Amino acid sequence: EIVLTQSPGTLSLSPGERATLSCRASQSVSSSYLAWYQQKPGQAPRLLIYGASSRATGIPDRFSGSGSGTDFTLTISRLEPEDFAVYYCQQYGSSPGFGGGTKVEIK
Amino acid sequence: EVQLVESGGGLVQPGRSLRLSCAASGFTFDDYAMHWVRQAPGKGLEWVSGISWNSGSIGYADSVKGRFTISRDNAKNSLYLQMNSLRAEDTALYYCAKDLGYGGNEVWEYFDYWGQGTLVTVSS
Repeated sequence: EIVLTQSPGTLSLSPGERATLSCRASQSVSSSYLAWYQQKPGQAPRLLIYGASSRATGIPDRFSGSGSGTDFTLTISRLEPEDFAVYYCQQYGSSPGFGGGTKVEIK
Repeated sequence: EVQLVESGGGLVQPGRSLRLSCAASGFTFDDYAMHWVRQAPGKGLEWVSGISWNSGSIGYADSVKGRFTISRDNAKNSLYLQMNSLRAEDTALYYCAKDLGYGGNEVWEYFDYWGQGTLVTVSS
């Protein structure tokens, strides 16, 4: 079973700043089967990134994903007010699993 | 428009059973694998179970294996989760989610659509 560890647990930033979120896997994630989701309070998760770096339909280009193997990153280039939320990474392929999440909060 | 609507949640005593349903619309249901994902109050996401398009491949998290059973009825565009021997730690919001692919050989893709969830509370 692949365990995903996200860091930091909480990121306090101001609108307009750059956010860098990390997701580390306990073993290599095959074929970059890594996705990122955004979840706002009271809402279901929303797919942002799949295949480690491909943006889902309708996702603004300020969101980007990178990485391979065991280390992955979600970057939000300039935070908009609507981007303050919790972000989860997920590995898929065999037994899907999620990281513990990173909360991006307003500083 | 893809819609996933869960139902069947509620308050149940430990050791009892509950059956969740997910009604799907807006896509060809029998072309895609489907999943259940849960979220305990104030906690993160946990994958519970997945089922391939034709029910030929099924997977479970270790935490529910032997107690929960996933199934689908393609004629009714519906997904189900039979939950037996419920425990307090099963208390969560249960989401139905659509897989991008068909789930053959228990190889899952990412989840491109999610329902709004149904709340299950296990308490005496």
